[in-house]
Amino acid sequence: DAGVTQSPTHLIKTRGQQVTLRCSPKSGHDTVSWYQQALGQGPQFIFQYYEEEERQRGNFPDRFSGHQFPNYSSELNVNALLLGDSALYLCASSPHGAPLHFGNGTRLTVT
Amino acid sequence: AQRVTQPEKLLSVFKGAPVELKCNYSYSGSPELFWYVQYSRQRLQLLLRHISRESIKGFTADLNKGETSFHLKKPFAQEEDSAMYYCAPDLRSRGSNYKLTFGKGTLLTVNP
Repeated sequence: DAGVTQSPTHLIKTRGQQVTLRCSPKSGHDTVSWYQQALGQGPQFIFQYYEEEERQRGNFPDRFSGHQFPNYSSELNVNALLLGDSALYLCASSPHGAPLHFGNGTRLTVT
Repeated sequence: AQRVTQPEKLLSVFKGAPVELKCNYSYSGSPELFWYVQYSRQRLQLLLRHISRESIKGFTADLNKGETSFHLKKPFAQEEDSAMYYCAPDLRSRGSNYKLTFGKGTLLTVNP
């Protein structure tokens, strides 16, 4: 079992552009959560998907959106990128009602 | 305001010494609490959760509701315990899955 996999591992974008990050959950996991981890900070909750719907959301603007597919994989989209969006983006999956398993993350740099 | 605080950004101990990583929380209700650990070049992983009352890799954590604390302890630190440790309460909405709120973390270094 490969665990939670995220792609790409690194990404460089220009301010104002849009980005899509991808996550494949661990086998058997139906819930996907996304976190943003800025340098020197703990992960911050962005949102969570279950049954292809956004179930919970943290304090992030509407520029951050997501999607979950029938195979439980998920995408995180960020529009109109700002320099402050530079961070490590973590995906975590779990069976519904169980603690989270994290991926290695995607490092996004906005220039 | 709901908050989780890990007061020590860095903690350095010698091998064999006791270690305590502090976590204080400020929330209404009684959230479930977790400790996550990140070893060098590895992904964030669950260390323990308070409801299971397990001891993982020699670590224990007691929930003190009076002091609203959930400190992580180990009586004899090992060099392989060197890692970043995060305290994380679960603040999920009713009927939803876990929504962890992480502290800023404590970097533990165990010196030989």
